[in-house]
Amino acid sequence: EVQLVESGGDLVQPGGSLRLSCAASGFTFSSYRMHWVRQAPGKGLVWVSRIKSDGSTTDYADSVKGRFTISRDNAKNMLYLQMNSLRVEDTAVYYCARSSNYFDSWGQGTLVTVSS
Amino acid sequence: DIVMTQTPDSLAVSLGERAIINCKPSQSVLGSSNNKNSLAWYQQKPGQPPKVLIYWASTRESGVPDRFSGSGSGTDFTLTISSLQAEDVAVYYCQQYYTPPLTFGQGTKVEIK
Repeated sequence: EVQLVESGGDLVQPGGSLRLSCAASGFTFSSYRMHWVRQAPGKGLVWVSRIKSDGSTTDYADSVKGRFTISRDNAKNMLYLQMNSLRVEDTAVYYCARSSNYFDSWGQGTLVTVSS
Repeated sequence: DIVMTQTPDSLAVSLGERAIINCKPSQSVLGSSNNKNSLAWYQQKPGQPPKVLIYWASTRESGVPDRFSGSGSGTDFTLTISSLQAEDVAVYYCQQYYTPPLTFGQGTKVEIK
């Protein structure tokens, strides 16, 4: 069974940093592109970033480019999102998701709250 | 960026009746190399992550009831729930995976009338 478990969400002040993690199991992690998708409270889904299966290529939404960094450790079956210079508008539940094309598996999400 | 516009924003349908949700990408999501539309539909219930229902515009994910169907091509797509059940109350999103940034529609809330 595919499992994706996010962690690392917390309350952080504007301008602060946070690193999210996603532990993957039940599939060959190194064969799949992985993504972060976020959802602000009461709002819709917004794609944040993706990383190729071997980690060689990354893409970002314009809203996080230069502030967030996606990475992965295929030996540990882990996906990460380093978030710097956090803004109030980054407050959201952050989901990690697996894709071959569409998002076929999602974690339960971790809540990031940016507030003073 | 490809903007995904869903209509309506919400709809209320009687149990057993049909629900139709539309999705219009701002540009075609039909791939020239594979002749497939890179469009998926997701269902999200309160407090849960999204779940894929349909991909490649019309392929039902394994385990999804056959009352859910997807159709359309290019810049005009539809998700149909043929006979609404109580457990279908949720928000539904379309999403294009044709090109980054990957984008979602704003969501359509489906309720029971």
